[in-house]
Amino acid sequence: DAKTTQPPSMDCAEGRAANLPCNHSTISGNEYVYWYRQIHSQGPQYIIHGLKNNETNEMASLIITEDRKSSTLILPHATLRDTAVYYCIVRVWEYGNKLVFGAGTILRVKS
Amino acid sequence: NAGVTQTPKFQVLKTGQSMTLQCAQDMNHEYMSWYRQDPGMGLRLIHYSVGAGITDQGEVPNGYNVSRSTTEDFPLRLLSAAPSQTSVYFCASSGTANSNQPQHFGDGTRLSIL
Repeated sequence: DAKTTQPPSMDCAEGRAANLPCNHSTISGNEYVYWYRQIHSQGPQYIIHGLKNNETNEMASLIITEDRKSSTLILPHATLRDTAVYYCIVRVWEYGNKLVFGAGTILRVKS
Repeated sequence: NAGVTQTPKFQVLKTGQSMTLQCAQDMNHEYMSWYRQDPGMGLRLIHYSVGAGITDQGEVPNGYNVSRSTTEDFPLRLLSAAPSQTSVYFCASSGTANSNQPQHFGDGTRLSIL
């Protein structure tokens, strides 16, 4: 019951911005969008989340469209260590606090 | 700055054996959960807890038990291990159940059932 759609893979040159898109056309009004990444089968690492406003933190920026049907995660200056699987997740309120993980996007940062 | 700690990191069991996967967090989080991750699939929720003394089933609870006697600890028990339970198990926690605070994950336990 994943509620998001992401491209299966993307490449990015080291030092350039990486823009990862996500579609969530069925998102409800009170559901947040979260981004996580997973490196080498480590535990998923939280990156950023938002409801309808654009958000920025020390790791990334999140741009959410006005209709909230899609969003873009921006890594401003990608490094080789940013190579990972990136998950765009809509949090649903069943099971207390369930995160619905899809297949994610494999981002390969190349030198 | 420990966050969510899972032990052991790796484990091999024989079919029918039982074991407990440990999860501890030092952030005073009320909400804790267990997920499993299988190749080609996203994480699936096994059990969760919204506070000490309160647990409930997630999407794939069969074959697993949990308890929450303290805020810090949320162990996952395999009652009689089966090969279908070979997976990577992740524990996660967040401040409260019905909030937008992000969940933080441990580094996982890689479990193989022979």
